[in-house]
Amino acid sequence: EAGVTQSPTHLIKTRGQQATLRCSPISGHTSVYWYQQALGLGLQFLLWYDEGEERNRGNFPPRFSGRQFPNYSSELNVNALELEDSALYLCASSLLTAGGTTDTQYFGPGTRLTVL
Amino acid sequence: AQSVTQPDIHITVSEGASLELRCNYSYGATPYLFWYVQSPGQGLQLLLKYFSGDTLVQGIKGFEAEFKRSQSSFNLRKPSVHWSDAAEYFCAVGLFGNEKLTFGTGTRLTIIP
Repeated sequence: EAGVTQSPTHLIKTRGQQATLRCSPISGHTSVYWYQQALGLGLQFLLWYDEGEERNRGNFPPRFSGRQFPNYSSELNVNALELEDSALYLCASSLLTAGGTTDTQYFGPGTRLTVL
Repeated sequence: AQSVTQPDIHITVSEGASLELRCNYSYGATPYLFWYVQSPGQGLQLLLKYFSGDTLVQGIKGFEAEFKRSQSSFNLRKPSVHWSDAAEYFCAVGLFGNEKLTFGTGTRLTIIP
């Protein structure tokens, strides 16, 4: 069974540009999560999507946004890039249980975003 | 505020020695608990998880962890480490209905021959 996939592996942008990162969840998973792993800041929750809707959002400015498509894949968009946005962006996916809660999150390999 | 603490930033152990990585949490309710491992430049791999039931959980690669409610801890153990265990280890907690994971700052494990 294929795991969570992310593209691109690396992305280099300049300050002020926009970045788009993509994630494909494990087959059958409906929830997708985005996390930022920046040097010195650890892993921080960004966004959670389920069934095409944003369910929860971390403490990030509005220029971090995303969406989930009908096939449950997801995009993370970062507008007006700043130097401090340089980080590893991790996507995770999970199942929604019969009780309506999400199960274990499985992570992809990440996209390394570098802002120059 | 909810928090997860991994007090050891870096641990060095000899190959074949036992290992214990510490994790403490501060939450209003009993959370879901996870340990993930990250090799350099890679994503996170799930080692084990605790949702409920038996407080000693077994994971992959010979790891185990014990949930101690009274100490708000979920320490990771391995009886004999291998050189391939060198990586960064993250403890994470989640709350029912909240879904986001809160991670500790990680413990980097170095294995010496």
